[in-house]
Amino acid sequence: DAGVIQSPRHEVTEMGQEVTLRCKPISGHDYLFWYRQTMMRGLELLIYFNNNVPIDDSGMPEDRFSAKMPNASFSTLKIQPSEPRDSAVYFCASSPGLLNQPQHFGDGTRLSIL
Amino acid sequence: AQSVTQPDIHITVSEGASLELRCNYSYGATPYLFWYVQSPGQGLQLLLKYFSGDTLVQGIKGFEAEFKRSQSSFNLRKPSVHWSDAAEYFCAVAPSGTYKYIFGTGTRLKVLA
Repeated sequence: DAGVIQSPRHEVTEMGQEVTLRCKPISGHDYLFWYRQTMMRGLELLIYFNNNVPIDDSGMPEDRFSAKMPNASFSTLKIQPSEPRDSAVYFCASSPGLLNQPQHFGDGTRLSIL
Repeated sequence: AQSVTQPDIHITVSEGASLELRCNYSYGATPYLFWYVQSPGQGLQLLLKYFSGDTLVQGIKGFEAEFKRSQSSFNLRKPSVHWSDAAEYFCAVAPSGTYKYIFGTGTRLKVLA
């Protein structure tokens, strides 16, 4: 089975531009998670969805960040406008709807804001 | 607040030597515990997990971890390290009944030939 698929793998853009990161979870997984990884703060949970509904977005840093999950096989994380401090690796993960099942991670999107 | 501590930022071992990576957590009840490995440019791969039962859990790639409730620890071990084990290792905790993982800051492992 295919794992969690993220696109693009790398994104370089200028400050002020809109950035959209994409994620396709593993088929049949009910939960989807967005993380950000930086040297300073490590891995942080930004938001997670259950059955396409956002459950907890307390980790979203600012209103410039938004996430959607229009269907069970697709989610986006958008930054508008982007700033240099948003540069990080963004991971998407998914898991089945059972607490004793671990999260499966994608390979991440490395984002650089110039 | 719950927290996870990986006290060793970097560890260097020789190939064939044994390895132990430390992880301590702060949480009142027994949480769900995980170890993940991240190779450069890759996502996180699950090595092993603990939910309940036997406190010594076996994982992939020859790794094992032992849950010690009295010490609030979940240390990762491998009896003989291979050069391909060089990577960054993350301990994660999920308070029981939640899906929110709290990750440690990671330990970067270097393996000498």
